[in-house]
Order: sequence, then C-alpha cells, then structure tokens
Amino acid sequence: GQQVMQIPQYQHVQEGEDFTTYCNSSTTLSNIQWYKQRPGGHPVFLIQLVKSGEVKKQKRLTFQFGEAKKNSSLHITATQTTDVGTYFCAGRPGNTPLVFGKGTRLSVIA
Amino acid sequence: DGGITQSPKYLFRKEGQNVTLSCEQNLNHDAMYWYRQDPGQGLRLIYYSQIVNDFQKGDIAEGYSVSREKKESFPLTVTSAQKNPTAFYLCASSKRLAEYEQYFGPGTRLTVT
Repeated sequence: GQQVMQIPQYQHVQEGEDFTTYCNSSTTLSNIQWYKQRPGGHPVFLIQLVKSGEVKKQKRLTFQFGEAKKNSSLHITATQTTDVGTYFCAGRPGNTPLVFGKGTRLSVIA
Repeated sequence: DGGITQSPKYLFRKEGQNVTLSCEQNLNHDAMYWYRQDPGQGLRLIYYSQIVNDFQKGDIAEGYSVSREKKESFPLTVTSAQKNPTAFYLCASSKRLAEYEQYFGPGTRLTVT
C-alpha cells in the first residue's frame, strides 16, 4: 500500500536542545496530521495541515507542510522532559484512510 | 464523559483460540478503525468502517475479522489463522473518514502463547 516515510526512527537530545522529525510521501497528500504517543499510552492528535506551504505553531512546536504537499516536519524548540514520546505523522494519499509513518521516538536527557 | 473505551487492557490467550477485542465510542463518530502496533512498526491499519454495516480491509486484514452492527461498537476478532497475534491493538474513531482527526482508545495488549 501507500507509504509515508518518517525519519529519524530515534532521537536522543539533551534537555534544551531542539528536535526535528521529517515525514515524506512519494504521492501528494490531501492533508497531514501529527500525533504524539507517550510511553505506555495511546496516540493523541496534535494538529492537521491542509494547505500547501502551511506553517502552524503550538507553543514550542512548529509544524510545516511542504509546497508540493509531499513532505512535512515537526520542530520542537528547547525540548523539555515532558516532550518525551513517539511522534507520528499521518497522511492521506487520496480518498483513503490515513497512512501512518513509523514514528520518531524522542528521548530527552535531563 | 465522551471517548473511546477498549477492554480489556491486557489479554492472554492460548494459541489456536479466537479472541474478540471490544471497542466502544460515544462520540457519535461515523468512522472507526483498528490498528496493530508492533515495536518499530508504527500503526498498521487492520480494518476500518465508514458507516454502520459496512467495513473495509486495511493493509493487514488477514487473520482478523470485524463487525459494525451498531454505530458505537466495532469489535475485532483475532482468529487462529493470524500467525503472529501478539501485539498492541488500538481502536480509533473519527467524525468521518476524510479530513478529520482520529481519537484513540487506550489499547489492548494481547499476548498469545
């Protein structure tokens, strides 16, 4: 089936450092969503991007959707221990259910 | 208190047995989904339903079955034909299939020995 690639698979950062995860699709996506899953928990919706080139911010989190609507990124400024978890992107390549990336697991060292 | 419930949280079964996982939502959502999560594999779609009495296979439907007799309920049966059933199973719902965020239940961790 359709694939949404996400890198890196793991990222370890010192508290206060920045963090970025990237999401890529070979086909145009109608939208991209981002979810966060805390250790032992379930995915929780963070945000949805729909427009080409869209940028949205939530406090220290910045989300971007590429001009071609094939890639997206999530950037966290000055990570905190509360940011620990796995971040998933999920896109819709056409009139289909969401396709999830494999996620990026973020560890923050205090 | 609206949301999605899954039960039980942990489930243990012997190989060769069918097992049914429960998923209920009171969000009045039309669409419901079942995902399987394995370490390093992300979320893989098993089945989804856009409306009552209708459901579609996802990417890894073999060895699983579902029903959607009520809007609120979307149970998943893991059959003995599923070769590697041990996994974390997540149920989700959304207002409709397209363009809407998904709400996830707490998950059921199934162990088959």
